[in-house]
Amino acid sequence: DTEVTQTPKHLVMGMTNKKSLKCEQHMGHRAMYWYKQKAKKPPELMFVYSYEKLSINESVPSRFSPECPNSSLLNLHLHALQPEDSALYLCASSPYTGTEAQPQHFGDGTRLSIL
Amino acid sequence: DAKTTQPNSMESNEEEPVHLPCNHSTISGTDYIHWYRQLPSQGPEYVIHGLTSNVNNRMASLAIAEDRKSSTLILHRATLRDAAVYYCILLNFGNEKLTFGTGTRLTIIP
Repeated sequence: DTEVTQTPKHLVMGMTNKKSLKCEQHMGHRAMYWYKQKAKKPPELMFVYSYEKLSINESVPSRFSPECPNSSLLNLHLHALQPEDSALYLCASSPYTGTEAQPQHFGDGTRLSIL
Repeated sequence: DAKTTQPNSMESNEEEPVHLPCNHSTISGTDYIHWYRQLPSQGPEYVIHGLTSNVNNRMASLAIAEDRKSSTLILHRATLRDAAVYYCILLNFGNEKLTFGTGTRLTIIP
């Protein structure tokens, strides 16, 4: 069982839809992450939040909009996605210290399909 | 970021030890060596990390070469559940960005 919970597990949406992915952790971690993973490829970092502030945006298109309402919750708002955005979206968290990089704990992801 | 090189795939027999190599010849003095693995249909899972000395935990051991240009992840007794893609990643002091390479796909033969 993972300590990082992602919902929904699967999502199918049209290119004109607006949807959101949700990620939750209750480990007291202060850094949260979004990754994108295409089939048979390694995960790629999209966004990092440290202490609820966006600290890293890896030049992600604006149709992906992250939000961190509180230290336990991370959302990814989706709008006007393209078929190539179909992928597994992974959330992770870590006890950010600003010094030694701490292990990241991953959820099992949301599998997104764009029609 | 310093890069790592891993074999694309490896096979090992069940209940045998497994040694997964990783080369990182351009590692800097403040790069930590992290290992993650990803089982089928799951998110990545942290395995172990170290800086200079060998490290042991309940999952595995990490052996780091004296010059730090290579390291080896050791699974002491492989089980079928250890079949996964194993990623060796360098993380600099204070850096929170995990950059995954292509990893090593480990197959366990019953």
